[in-house]
Amino acid sequence: SAVISQKPSRDICQRGTSLTIQCQVDSQVTMMFWYRQQPGQSLTLIATANQGSEATYESGFVIDKFPISRPNLTFSTLTVSNMSPEDSSIYLCSVAGRLSGNTIYFGEGSWLTVV
Amino acid sequence: AQTVTQSQPEMSVQEAETVTLSCTYDTSESDYYLFWYKQPPSRQMILVIRQEAYKQQNATENRFSVNFQKAAKSFSLKISDSQLGDAAMYFCAYRRRVGNSGNTPLVFGKGTRLSVIA
Repeated sequence: SAVISQKPSRDICQRGTSLTIQCQVDSQVTMMFWYRQQPGQSLTLIATANQGSEATYESGFVIDKFPISRPNLTFSTLTVSNMSPEDSSIYLCSVAGRLSGNTIYFGEGSWLTVV
Repeated sequence: AQTVTQSQPEMSVQEAETVTLSCTYDTSESDYYLFWYKQPPSRQMILVIRQEAYKQQNATENRFSVNFQKAAKSFSLKISDSQLGDAAMYFCAYRRRVGNSGNTPLVFGKGTRLSVIA
């Protein structure tokens, strides 16, 4: 398995501000995936981040709103920009296991509330 | 595009009894993985069980087992001897297989909330 640490665990943010979520993995991984889980909903893929290249965004998500960095094989950040109450969600970082590439593991999630 | 459907928004089970959660999926791929994840109130996504599509044998993990029907594109989860700690949101998920790489994301169903009654 992979151990994934996410920061912050929880935050309350002011409307119009931006917040950066950090994701640290205990082993080198090729792909990192960022998901959003709105209240009472399922998980929706925001983007896939490959080290050394631009992230690939899913329909409905844009780089200006959710810029992602992937500076190395163990770390990534997701920024939620110019936040509105609709951005209140859990944001989850996930990776495929290094030795077991068929399973995806998740961080603890970052619970953002925008007021 | 692949889709995953969980038709039971909520289910309940008596402690020590057995419950089955349903999941169907749609894909044109022949090689893929299927998963059940559990999300308790702590929000942590916990892998419950995994099935490779090329394996005919149904996966089992202690009290958890699946009924994988590839032709019907059905992947149900059976929880035996239910415990209070099993109460959570359960998500069925699909992942396309590309070699042995970890380069494809999960596609999730909407989830089933399971309550366990003491």
